[in-house]
Amino acid sequence: QKEVEQNSGPLSVPEGAIASLNCTYSDRVSQSFFWYRQYSGKSPELIMSIYSNGDKEDGRFTAQLNKASQYVSLLIRDSQPSDSATYLCASLYSSASKIIFGSGTRLSIRP
Amino acid sequence: SQTIHQWPATLVQPVGSPLSLECTVEGTSNPNLYWYRQAAGRGLQLLFYSVGIGQISSEVPQNLSASRPQDRQFILSSKKLLLSDSGFYLCAWSTRQYSNQPQHFGDGTRLSIL
Repeated sequence: QKEVEQNSGPLSVPEGAIASLNCTYSDRVSQSFFWYRQYSGKSPELIMSIYSNGDKEDGRFTAQLNKASQYVSLLIRDSQPSDSATYLCASLYSSASKIIFGSGTRLSIRP
Repeated sequence: SQTIHQWPATLVQPVGSPLSLECTVEGTSNPNLYWYRQAAGRGLQLLFYSVGIGQISSEVPQNLSASRPQDRQFILSSKKLLLSDSGFYLCAWSTRQYSNQPQHFGDGTRLSIL
């Protein structure tokens, strides 16, 4: 059973601080990883894709991938109240054309 | 650019009634298509996925079914709804052109069973 695991939270971070979200995956063959943001009552929205070991930065977001440790993380710098949402980590199971999602981490940015 | 449409946005149905939810994708050809369900406060449960017309893979045995009558149309159906079918239903697509691409979600249908 291929799995993606996340701490459900809630993770509470003060406004302006760095929020760090973590994820582990079980499928060693996975090559593609994604972070989605889901606001309450809305559908998931893709915010980052990462395919290689190391860091990938996009604005205030940095995704980090360590394939040896089977670990993916998302850093959000200068956290804003609008970042309060559930963040879903996902791993692509490419041989079956489907993505395995974690259950999500709820992030709350306190003013 | 590609867009995905899902309707209706909300639906209230009595137990035992039929269901039909529709999803269409524009701006791409031969997409992979997916149906997910999300119970309140829970993660995404993959229900069905399709890599082509008439090709449906079921992930969870249940009283739901899916069909793909056209390349960019994906339909979720039930003959008799159960209370446990309540939830947030999401359709998603991904490109088949490259094997490592993410999925993109529609706005979802919130289904309440009474």
